[in-house]
Amino acid sequence: AQKITQTQPGMFVQEKEAVTLDCTYDTSDQSYGLFWYKQPSSGEMIFLIYQGSYDEQNATEGRYSLNFQKARKSANLVISASQLGDSAMYFCAMRANAGGTSYGKLTFGQGTILTVHP
Amino acid sequence: KAGVTQTPRYLIKTRGQQVTLSCSPISGHRSVSWYQQTPGQGLQFLFEYFSETQRNKGNFPGRFSGRQFSNSRSEMNVSTLELGDSALYLCASSLDPHYEQYFGPGTRLTVT
Repeated sequence: AQKITQTQPGMFVQEKEAVTLDCTYDTSDQSYGLFWYKQPSSGEMIFLIYQGSYDEQNATEGRYSLNFQKARKSANLVISASQLGDSAMYFCAMRANAGGTSYGKLTFGQGTILTVHP
Repeated sequence: KAGVTQTPRYLIKTRGQQVTLSCSPISGHRSVSWYQQTPGQGLQFLFEYFSETQRNKGNFPGRFSGRQFSNSRSEMNVSTLELGDSALYLCASSLDPHYEQYFGPGTRLTVT
C-alpha cells in the first residue's frame, strides 16, 4: 500500500520569497513516481512537477523544484519567488511505476493550502 | 492542444437517482482515470481505463461504474445516489498509465 503525508495544513509566504511544502511517502514499490499538483479555488488540478524514484537529479520546472531525499522518503516542493497567483491548494501524489494493480492510480496526500501575501 | 474536458460542470440530483458524467481526454491520450474529491476523504481513486479496458478499480461500491469508448472518451455512472456521493469528480488523462496525468476541471455533483 502507498501512503502520502503532508503535515502542513496551511502555509503563508510573502510575495517574492521562497517556500517549501513538505511531503513524505511510504511504499514497498521499488519503482515509483512522485508528483505535485496545484488546485486553485476553481477546482482544476494542475500538474506541476514529476520525480521518478530512479532519477538521480532533483526535478525542476521553472520556479518549481522537487527536493527528493529517497532515504528519508521525502519529496518536498520548493517554490521560488512566490507570486500572488501561487495561492492555492497543493497536493503531493505518488504512483507505482511497475504496473500491475497500480495502473493509472495516483495516491494523494491531504494537501497544503498556500497563501501568498503581498 | 485542448485540455481534458468534463461535462456537465455542475449537477444537482436527488437521492435514489442515477447520474452519468462524461470526460473527453487530451487528443492522443488513451488512459483515463477518475477520482472523487470530498472535504472529508480527500482525493480518492475510482477507476482507470486504457484502450477501452478497465485496468484498475478503487475501493468504491458497485454503484460506481464506468466505461471507455473507442475514441478514448470515458463516462462514469453512479446509480442510486446517496447524500455522501456529493463531491467533485475529477477525470484525468495520460498517454498511457506510466505518464503524468492531466486533469479536467471536474464535475461538482450535489445530491439532495
